[in-house]
Amino acid sequence: NAGVTQTPKFQVLKTGQSMTLQCAQDMNHEYMSWYRQDPGMGLRLIHYSVGAGITDQGEVPNGYNVSRSTTEDFPLRLLSAAPSQTSVYFCASSLGGRLYNSPLHFGNGTRLTVT
Amino acid sequence: GEDVEQSLFLSVREGDSSVINCTYTDSSSTYLYWYKQEPGAGLQLLTYIFSNMDMKQDQRLTVLLNKKDKHLSLRIADTQTGDSAIYFCAERGQLTFGSGTQLTVLP
Repeated sequence: NAGVTQTPKFQVLKTGQSMTLQCAQDMNHEYMSWYRQDPGMGLRLIHYSVGAGITDQGEVPNGYNVSRSTTEDFPLRLLSAAPSQTSVYFCASSLGGRLYNSPLHFGNGTRLTVT
Repeated sequence: GEDVEQSLFLSVREGDSSVINCTYTDSSSTYLYWYKQEPGAGLQLLTYIFSNMDMKQDQRLTVLLNKKDKHLSLRIADTQTGDSAIYFCAERGQLTFGSGTQLTVLP
């Protein structure tokens, strides 16, 4: 049971570089989401998806793009990295969306540093 | 917008009870959740409570919900060193998380 798999675990980028954080789940979950975790600020929702082909913005979407071409994968793209995007990024999935009592399953995170 | 607030730190002695508090603003939340995050790992669901309940007990964990004051608490009985972690409350279909409370258990 892999659950939610995030790659890479660590990444260092220079300002202006682009990269994609990968997220895959093998639980056939419809709902997937990306959070960033910063000290003292908890988790903030970046983007989410309620199914393949459907994405929506969360609380802090600027500077990030997502797509959901398959049920399993939900990559997060940083178009032009900025130091303010230094954070720990978590991908999560659940069987149902926000209206259902289906718990979120989290990946182990990607620690991103932008210099 | 909606907000979820928690105190940042809590220290207790091993064997004592821990109480972690959370206040929230969205009165339409159907479920409220507690997650645990161990170092270097993602969050794991600890427990949840339905909004029409006042209390839920699950082994060493007790969740209390005061809907009038929009206050949620998590009590851990007989706290062990393995309980040291960051605890997050969450509401609104798990789209809004608190800042997390770092629980340190002292031997």
